[in-house]
Amino acid sequence: SQKIEQNSEALNIQEGKTATLTCNYTNYSPAYLQWYRQDPGRGPVLLLLIRENEKEKRKERLKVTFDTTLKQSLFHITASQPADSATYLCALVPLDNFNKFYFGSGTKLNVKP
Amino acid sequence: DAGITQSPRHKVTETGTPVTLRCHQTENHRYMYWYRQDPGHGLRLIHYSYGVKDTDKGEVSDGYSVSRSKTEDFLLTLESATSSQTSVYFCAAGQSNTGELFFGEGSRLTVL
Repeated sequence: SQKIEQNSEALNIQEGKTATLTCNYTNYSPAYLQWYRQDPGRGPVLLLLIRENEKEKRKERLKVTFDTTLKQSLFHITASQPADSATYLCALVPLDNFNKFYFGSGTKLNVKP
Repeated sequence: DAGITQSPRHKVTETGTPVTLRCHQTENHRYMYWYRQDPGHGLRLIHYSYGVKDTDKGEVSDGYSVSRSKTEDFLLTLESATSSQTSVYFCAAGQSNTGELFFGEGSRLTVL
């Protein structure tokens, strides 16, 4: 079956450190992969999108890597802040259907001051 | 939330009753989606629409139907609600060429 897996355990880190979140997928041929942020009681908001032919994307303190051989994406937040505390979801859009977005279950990040 | 509004935001209903959730968008997005979010399962696609009157099933479509009579509105109907449909429902909209989905604030449905 097709799966997108994220670490279901919360990630607790100290302010100022780099947070690294993992997204693994199986049985997909991705067109692109996305990372969303979701705050409690709110809908997800897109942070970064990376295409299957890209290896890395950056935006301010955020960095995403995409390894289609390992079927894995890593999401990094450098110099993390308590305001970065949220749940982060990865989503994959398959090559055979650009209209469908498949989501992982998300990883909750807690940044402690 | 980029012009995506959902109603109602909260609803409690009884098993066997029909329920309709509404999603309204103001940005003229072609594609609209209904997801449900449950602990441990993340967001699962119920149905989506790729144009007025054009819809298709997602991963968990059993027990749900949708309709899109106008670009801006996408309705999700539970014909006969069951307790397993207790969830938070999210509507999303977007354009496939940009790859970005815009989400509403969610509708929390409790089926007793």
